[in-house]
Amino acid sequence: RKEVEQDPGPFNVPEGATVAFNCTYSNSASQSFFWYRQDCRKEPKLLMSVYSSGNEDGRFTAQLNRASQYISLLIRDSKLSDSATYLCVVNRQGRRALTFGSGTRLQVQP
Amino acid sequence: ETGVTQTPRHLVMGMTNKKSLKCEQHLGHNAMYWYKQSAKKPLELMFVYNFKEQTENNSVPSRFSPECPNSSHLFLHLHTLQPEDSALYLCASSQEIGGSYGYTFGSGTRLTVV
Repeated sequence: RKEVEQDPGPFNVPEGATVAFNCTYSNSASQSFFWYRQDCRKEPKLLMSVYSSGNEDGRFTAQLNRASQYISLLIRDSKLSDSATYLCVVNRQGRRALTFGSGTRLQVQP
Repeated sequence: ETGVTQTPRHLVMGMTNKKSLKCEQHLGHNAMYWYKQSAKKPLELMFVYNFKEQTENNSVPSRFSPECPNSSHLFLHLHTLQPEDSALYLCASSQEIGGSYGYTFGSGTRLTVV
């Protein structure tokens, strides 16, 4: 089983739609959680950290469910510019590097 | 300059060439990383450095040789590569090893081996 699992998609949604991605992680010792965004042929960029109480940044909401070991990303009012691959990223105590999911591809259509 | 800077942005090399990738971070971070990303594949960790000491080599072939002269600079020396080594090579840095506050990535070097 992969340490971080994501549905690869693609998720094809119209502009203005609400879309949600889930990500599951296998190790309960995981401590820090992030969503990164990667545009085609570019480097990943931090979208937001995910906190235990959930957090929101404009149209983006991230949630963490430790009991079920998953995190989610909700995007409201999708824009064409939201089209990208969204990477779920997890940090586990004692590991020397972050663990990346394979990414979920989002395509927002006009 | 700010953030993480990688050079060159693009590189085409023959299988017998020797070249080096460079990464520099201006964030005062203590840990630096090399990742490989092949087309339509997830990020693969290659090397981890903490305070310029290598702490992880993720079973990378010896044709890839990292160098970290100080905590701000990281190199990846390449020699006798294979076509399957063509990929995006990403450097990242983090405040402390493990990245519990996240990484900052450089813009990557797109490598083509011919």
